[in-house]
Amino acid sequence: DVKVTQSSRYLVKRTGEKVFLECVQDMDHENMFWYRQDPGLGLRLIYFSYDVKMKEKGDIPEGYSVSREKKERFSLILESASTNQTSMYLCASTPGLYNEQFFGPGTRLTVL
Amino acid sequence: QKEVEQNSGPLSVPEGAIASLNCTYSDRGSQSFFWYRQYSGKSPELIMFIYSNGDKEDGRFTAQLNKASQYVSLLIRDSQPSDSATYLCAVNPYSSASKIIFGSGTRLSIRP
Repeated sequence: DVKVTQSSRYLVKRTGEKVFLECVQDMDHENMFWYRQDPGLGLRLIYFSYDVKMKEKGDIPEGYSVSREKKERFSLILESASTNQTSMYLCASTPGLYNEQFFGPGTRLTVL
Repeated sequence: QKEVEQNSGPLSVPEGAIASLNCTYSDRGSQSFFWYRQYSGKSPELIMFIYSNGDKEDGRFTAQLNKASQYVSLLIRDSQPSDSATYLCAVNPYSSASKIIFGSGTRLSIRP
C-alpha cells in the first residue's frame, strides 16, 4: 500500500512565523504535490515537483516555497505566515503521468 | 468556465437508492478521470478511475465516461449512510500530464 505521511495533523502558528510542512512517501513516486483546501474553493494546487530538486508553480504559489532534496520528501515552506494561509494542507504523490494521486492525511494549519 | 465542474449539492438520496453524481470538463484532450471520496476532516481517497469511453464497474460503484460530450459520472447503487461524503471529480488534462485538476466536489447525503 502506498503511504503518504505528513509531519503534523494540526498546527497553530503566529503571524510572521516561518512554517515548515513536511511530506514523505514510501513508494518511490516521481511526482509530489502540495494543495490547500478551503470551503467553497476546493483543492488548489500550490506547487508540484516531478523530480528531485525540480519544482513548478501551481495555481496559488504566492507566499509559499518548496524544497525537494530527496525523492521521498517534499516540503512546503511558508516564509512569513499570514492569517489568510489558515487552511487544510494536503500533500499527494503519483508514480507518473496519467496516474491517480495518493493523498496524505492533511495538516490543518491555523495562523493567529 | 471552470476546467472541471460539479454541482456542489447537497444531493440527498434515500438509503438503498441509486446516487448519481455528474461532472463535466473543458479540456477535450483529457486522458484520465478519477472519482475521490472525502469524508469531513479527512483527505480524499480514490474510489474509481476510468480511461476509456463507456462504463467501469467496481462493486456498488460505476463510473461512466463520455469523451464526446465531455462528462463523467459516478453511480452508487444500494446507497448506504456510510456513503455520505463529498465526492471529487478529477481530470488529467492533455495540457499537463503530470497534474490533476479537481472539481470542487458534490456533497452527498444518504438519509436512512
